[in-house]
Amino acid sequence: EVQLVESGGGLIQPGGSLRLSCAASGFTFSTYSMNWVRQAPGKGLEWISYISSRSSAIYYADSVKGRFTISRDNAKNSLYLQMNSLRAEDTAVYYCARDLIAGATTGDYWGQGTLVVVSA
Amino acid sequence: QSALTQPASVSGSPGQSITISCTGTSSDVGFYNYVSWYQQHPGKAPKLIIYDVSNRPSGVSNRFSGSKSGNTASLTISRLQTEDEADYYCSSYTTNNTRVFGGGTKLTVL
Repeated sequence: EVQLVESGGGLIQPGGSLRLSCAASGFTFSTYSMNWVRQAPGKGLEWISYISSRSSAIYYADSVKGRFTISRDNAKNSLYLQMNSLRAEDTAVYYCARDLIAGATTGDYWGQGTLVVVSA
Repeated sequence: QSALTQPASVSGSPGQSITISCTGTSSDVGFYNYVSWYQQHPGKAPKLIIYDVSNRPSGVSNRFSGSKSGNTASLTISRLQTEDEADYYCSSYTTNNTRVFGGGTKLTVL
């Protein structure tokens, strides 16, 4: 069974840093591209970052470019999101989502999400 | 990276059909056939229901169908059921190698 489990969320002050993790199981992690998608409270989904299976291609939304860094460790079946210079508007539930094996579709599987609250 | 445009809400009665539109640009919806749709119930993670404009993942009801014309994609749900009440999001790949979601549509089954 495919499982994605996010962790690392919490309350952080503006300007602070946080590292999210996503532990993958039930599939060959190293062959799938992965994404981070977030959802602010009561708002819609926002795609924020993509990483290819071997980390050769990485893309970010403009809203996080230069502040967030996506990475992965295929040996540990894990995806990461390093978030720096956090702002109040980064408050959201952060989901990791697996790409379909072919094409460019985000999220045939999603984690349950981890909540990040940026507040003084 | 502007969000795709969806109606904020739609409604229908059980047994009826509804259609949700998703309008983008020639740099996303209009350029690629990588349009997908997601269903999200309150407090739950999104669920993929349509990919590549009109394909259904295994296990998704054939009451859900997708199409595209120009810069606008559409999701149709036929024979509405009460459990279809949820938020629906479209998404597209873009010419910048990024992805973009729509603002979401709340479906109410009356």
